Amino acid sequence: QVQLVESGGGVVQPGRSLRLSCAASGFTFSSYGMHWVRQAPGKGLEWVAGIWSDGRNKYNVDSVRGRFTISRDYSKNTLYLQMNNLRVEDTAVYYCAGEGVLEWPNVFDIWGQGTMVTVSS
Amino acid sequence: EIVMTQSPATLSVSPGERVTLSCRASQKISSNLAWYQQKPGQAPRLLIYGASTRATGIPARFSGSGSGTEFTLTISSLQSEDFAVYYCQQYNNWPRTFGQGTKLEIK
Repeated sequence: QVQLVESGGGVVQPGRSLRLSCAASGFTFSSYGMHWVRQAPGKGLEWVAGIWSDGRNKYNVDSVRGRFTISRDYSKNTLYLQMNNLRVEDTAVYYCAGEGVLEWPNVFDIWGQGTMVTVSS
Repeated sequence: EIVMTQSPATLSVSPGERVTLSCRASQKISSNLAWYQQKPGQAPRLLIYGASTRATGIPARFSGSGSGTEFTLTISSLQSEDFAVYYCQQYNNWPRTFGQGTKLEIK
């Protein structure tokens, strides 16, 4: 079945780095755009970064530009989020989402279970 | 950046009632709008895309409408499992943006 499984979250000090992974299975990973969406404790959803199916175009929200990098490894069917220079305000559950896998292009129709990132000294 | 504004922030309703949630975009997004449902401790789930098309497996009591800048999600008869937070999201422009959510509470 179609599945996304995130890993790599944890507790990290401000200014340090962390890499999140999202393992995809049950669909042709190379055919779909992928995204990271985060949710701070008790808050709403915030789109963080997205990457086209071919990996040629990447986008991210202003608050992480220059610090976070989205990438994908087709040989491993895995999406990554490299997070550098982490800030306290980056504390959140990070979800991996796929677009248009089941329903319609551009909509986030498959989601992982999320991985928690806590930035604290 | 397109700002998505949802109203109200919280809605207290009784099972069986009909409810309408609103979402407004700061600029026109055609029908490139999706609705998601999120329950505590769970990932969001896609309900509606294209402003009005139900995703696979979504009950017919959920319906969406609107285009341009004004959108609504209607639940015709609330079931106990519908009490959750609902988010709208535009996918017309980058960055993709979500509304702040509307929480449906049991009255």
